[in-house]
Amino acid sequence: QVQLQESGPGLVKPSQTLSLTCTVSGGSISRGGYYWSWIRQHPGKGLEWIGYIYYIGSTNYNPSLKSRVTISVDTSKNQFSLKLGSVTAADTAVYYCARAWDQSLDYWGQGTLVTVSS
Amino acid sequence: QSALTQPASVSGSPGQSITISCTGTSSDVGGYNYVSWYQQHPGNAPKLMIHDVSNRPSGVSNRFSGSKSGNTASLTISGLQPEDEADYYCSSYTSSNTRVFGGGTKLTVL
Repeated sequence: QVQLQESGPGLVKPSQTLSLTCTVSGGSISRGGYYWSWIRQHPGKGLEWIGYIYYIGSTNYNPSLKSRVTISVDTSKNQFSLKLGSVTAADTAVYYCARAWDQSLDYWGQGTLVTVSS
Repeated sequence: QSALTQPASVSGSPGQSITISCTGTSSDVGGYNYVSWYQQHPGNAPKLMIHDVSNRPSGVSNRFSGSKSGNTASLTISGLQPEDEADYYCSSYTSSNTRVFGGGTKLTVL
């Protein structure tokens, strides 16, 4: 059973960089066919797709966030990471990591709340 | 990319059937058979209920079904049960090789 777990600071100051890591267990991140994804959910709002990375390093991002987002992968640790720069209060959200298979997200982490505040 | 359009809320009584719509464009919903549906209970992560328009993952009740016509996809839940009360989101692959979600629909079981 694949499991994903987000980790990282729960509080980030405005203008700084939000950094989160997703640790995958129960399966190798290097196994082809899956895209390792980040999604966020603003408080009381809907889901927003941030982007994904393939294990070889190819990425794709939401155009609205592309200038501020970097997703990377560390296959040796079975982890992938999200960096979101120049954050504002509008980036306060629950951030989820998930595995994408056949264009759908079949396994999700529990989510982690990141608050942007001074 | 614009979010897919879903009704804000739907409701039904136990045992009834309800349908949630998800409207996009020919660049997403209408252009590909890559629509998925997610169920989210308060405080929990979303759960995949339908993928590729109409396919159920293993373990998902056959009371859940999906379909698509043109630029609109639909999720139907038959034999409503109290535990079906949740938020439901659709998602689609897009022509830009990105993904887009709907705004979400709150299902109330009366």
